[in-house]
Amino acid sequence: KQEVTQIPAALSVPEGENLVLNCSFTDSAIYNLQWFRQDPGKGLTSLLLIQSSQREQTSGRLNASLDKSSGRSTLYIAASQPGDSATYLCAVRRRGGSEKLVFGKGTKLTVNP
Amino acid sequence: DTAVSQTPKYLVTQMGNDKSIKCEQNLGHDTMYWYKQDSKKFLKIMFSYNNKELIINETVPNRFSPKSPDKAHLNLHINSLELGDSAVYFCASSQGLTGGMGTQYFGPGTRLLVL
Repeated sequence: KQEVTQIPAALSVPEGENLVLNCSFTDSAIYNLQWFRQDPGKGLTSLLLIQSSQREQTSGRLNASLDKSSGRSTLYIAASQPGDSATYLCAVRRRGGSEKLVFGKGTKLTVNP
Repeated sequence: DTAVSQTPKYLVTQMGNDKSIKCEQNLGHDTMYWYKQDSKKFLKIMFSYNNKELIINETVPNRFSPKSPDKAHLNLHINSLELGDSAVYFCASSQGLTGGMGTQYFGPGTRLLVL
């Protein structure tokens, strides 16, 4: 059974810092891994998707890496801004035909001005 | 234009009632999902439909019945609501495994409170 863990559960940083959010998963037979952002009282916004054959994806100040063999992914946020404050969720999709995503519990990020 | 929309956004109701939540996507996707986010913010899949056909049914009480009249809509009907059903329900869609990148796009959520 796939389990996804995100560490830390919460993170508070001053504006301008670079930071790393961690995600680990127990079953390396994944199709892809997706990072989402959830703002309070809102839905999920997809940030980056990494296919199992890829090592990383970049979008603006965000960089996500994937090490499938060790069951790890990181989301790197450069030059953090208060607007980055949100909960970041990692989710993996299992290889083998199932469409479902298995989510971690998220990391709540607060960027202080 | 909203890609994935849900109605209602908020739903407050008494225990024992029957209620429905509607979801529509205008992305042309062939796969739609329902997720439940509990009070601890843990997001877990409930159902998935591909081209109106049920492909994932996690261990969900049969009081929950999804209905997909066409591939752009996936509605969720809940019978005999219980206190533990209080949660945020998210609808999502994707193009699925056979096409596109498989990115799932989420609706804004429906906040259900059962009293």
